[in-house]
Amino acid sequence: SQQGEEDPQALSIQEGENATMNCSYKTSINNLQWYRQNSGRGLVHLILIRSNEREKHSGRLRVTLDTSKKSSSLLITASRAADTASYFCATPQGGSEKLVFGKGTKLTVNP
Amino acid sequence: DGGITQSPKYLFRKEGQNVTLSCEQNLNHDAMYWYRQDPGQGLRLIYYSQIVNDFQKGDIAEGYSVSREKKESFPLTVTSAQKNPTAFYLCASSIGVGQGTYEQYFGPGTRLTVT
Repeated sequence: SQQGEEDPQALSIQEGENATMNCSYKTSINNLQWYRQNSGRGLVHLILIRSNEREKHSGRLRVTLDTSKKSSSLLITASRAADTASYFCATPQGGSEKLVFGKGTKLTVNP
Repeated sequence: DGGITQSPKYLFRKEGQNVTLSCEQNLNHDAMYWYRQDPGQGLRLIYYSQIVNDFQKGDIAEGYSVSREKKESFPLTVTSAQKNPTAFYLCASSIGVGQGTYEQYFGPGTRLTVT
């Protein structure tokens, strides 16, 4: 029942650089969410973007949504070592109450 | 201090034994969820509950059971019927359900190892 799929699977950058992660999904959605997971911890909600929104900002995070291409991107600007984590997109599964998570992008920010 | 607690953080069991993972929330959320996470697999939904005394199977419910006797609590039992129980288990809650609209709040997880 995989809905969202993140790309790339892994990303390694230097502190201060920007990091971009992408998410593609298969069916129409009314919203898309991004979560962060530090190693061995629970997930933390970052942003929810609705289908009628094209872009949303939260601090150093910028999320875009292109419903025509069924894709979303998460941009982290001026990355820090503390941003090292896995990032997941999550979408509703086919009109049900369930949220389906992708396999995630593992981001490493080197100091 | 509101949030979701899971206990214990690490759990070790022998094959053939049932084991119950605890999940408690004080956020007054109606909906609660159990996910399993394996390396490289992302999160897979085991069970979810929208209201007390009601729950639904997720994508990988076989070998698991749950109960929802109180709004705050949603324990997960991993039975001996689960073929590959070793995994990281995450509990989550949200204000409600409905088209995946609500953000989910996650507990810190329980890492279960069965040998």
